[in-house]
Amino acid sequence: GAVVSQHPSWVICKSGTSVKIECRSLDFQATTMFWYRQFPKQSLMLMATSNEGSKATYEQGVEKDKFLINHASLTLSTLTVTSAHPEDSSFYICSAIHYYNEQFFGPGTRLTVL
Amino acid sequence: GQQLNQSPQSMFIQEGEDVSMNCTSSSIFNTWLWYKQDPGEGPVLLIALYKAGELTSNGRLTAQFGITRKDSFLNISASIPSDVGIYFCAGRLENTGNQFYFGTGTSLTVIP
Repeated sequence: GAVVSQHPSWVICKSGTSVKIECRSLDFQATTMFWYRQFPKQSLMLMATSNEGSKATYEQGVEKDKFLINHASLTLSTLTVTSAHPEDSSFYICSAIHYYNEQFFGPGTRLTVL
Repeated sequence: GQQLNQSPQSMFIQEGEDVSMNCTSSSIFNTWLWYKQDPGEGPVLLIALYKAGELTSNGRLTAQFGITRKDSFLNISASIPSDVGIYFCAGRLENTGNQFYFGTGTSLTVIP
């Protein structure tokens, strides 16, 4: 199957700082990528849809100024959590749509805000 | 958002037993995907279904796209300890973009 990577795998930061998470499709081009957030023992919650070359589409209740998304190329989307606070601590997962409309996920990034 | 009802929520079974889980919705889907997620990792795609009635296998896993297009089933035969994890269904609505909606997950525990 197609491979999607995320970097970093985990990050610990101080409250008030910003954190950038990268999502890359390694062996295919993805015009559409998704960013999810997952709390322990819960399903994935879609945060936003990232489209290459255009603004991201955010789900209701997700602050676009808080979670900045940039999809500058067909293989890279970034999520920046600005002015992070402890309640932003979570598992963030990206996914990319493959040619056959299958969705492949990255391994996730564990964010802990102190 | 769109609701996908996945059941059961959790299962505890003996090694060697078969497992069945399903996802249902009130809406019509044109694609169903089944994923497995291990703790601290991203979901891994198991099976993709594209047509109503389609039955697809991947080793000991078999999934079916319901005839009504509102449900899907996943079966695991002769379970083994490494089958432990959370299984998610995901569906894409008819005439929408690439967005998938996820089920609530089925937590599977296999007792050796």
